[in-house]
Amino acid sequence: EADIYQTPRYLVIGTGKKITLECSQTMGHDKMYWYQQDPGMELHLIHYSYGVNSTEKGDLSSESTVSRIRTEHFPLTLESARPSHTSQYLCASSELGRQAFFGQGTRLTVV
Amino acid sequence: GIQVEQSPPDLILQEGANSTLRCNFSDSVNNLQWFHQNPWGQLINLFYIPSGTKQNGRLSATTVATERYSLLYISSSQTTDSGVYFCAVLHASGGSYIPTFGRGTSLIVHP
Repeated sequence: EADIYQTPRYLVIGTGKKITLECSQTMGHDKMYWYQQDPGMELHLIHYSYGVNSTEKGDLSSESTVSRIRTEHFPLTLESARPSHTSQYLCASSELGRQAFFGQGTRLTVV
Repeated sequence: GIQVEQSPPDLILQEGANSTLRCNFSDSVNNLQWFHQNPWGQLINLFYIPSGTKQNGRLSATTVATERYSLLYISSSQTTDSGVYFCAVLHASGGSYIPTFGRGTSLIVHP
């Protein structure tokens, strides 16, 4: 079974705060992804990485940033949270061209 | 980019009924996955099926890559089948192989 973990599962935070959403995988996958999803809606790719020191922006413009210093770790940071950032954030990983595995997601609420 | 269309967008069933969900895609794909998103937001892998037919219990899936569609069959539906079903394709756009999602089919199974 795939092992990919996201923390926290739920987060309520005030406007203007800096937050980091954690994502780690133990499968040694090179490719990792962050998707943003509003409740009941489609998934939008916001960031992805081919491997260490590689990061790219996705189709949906996002004010978040990511880093990939280690293969297993792909954190997402919001420097100054706003209510418009309220959403679910899903992290995934895969081998190139193979099936993707998702973490449990982080539900972020910015008040 | 590649377009992924799922139908129907919404489906309501009585427990015990059978259903077919469809995923059409606009270009050749390297891989295709079906996911079930549970009420807690987690994406559960159902099938990794670039072509052919696979079965897992009451669920089965068929992908006809040459005709650019995939079908997910749910037989003898149960209330626990409720949720959103997503199709995701891997398309080799510039070698990136990014999973691209359809908008999903929202399924409600009544007891």
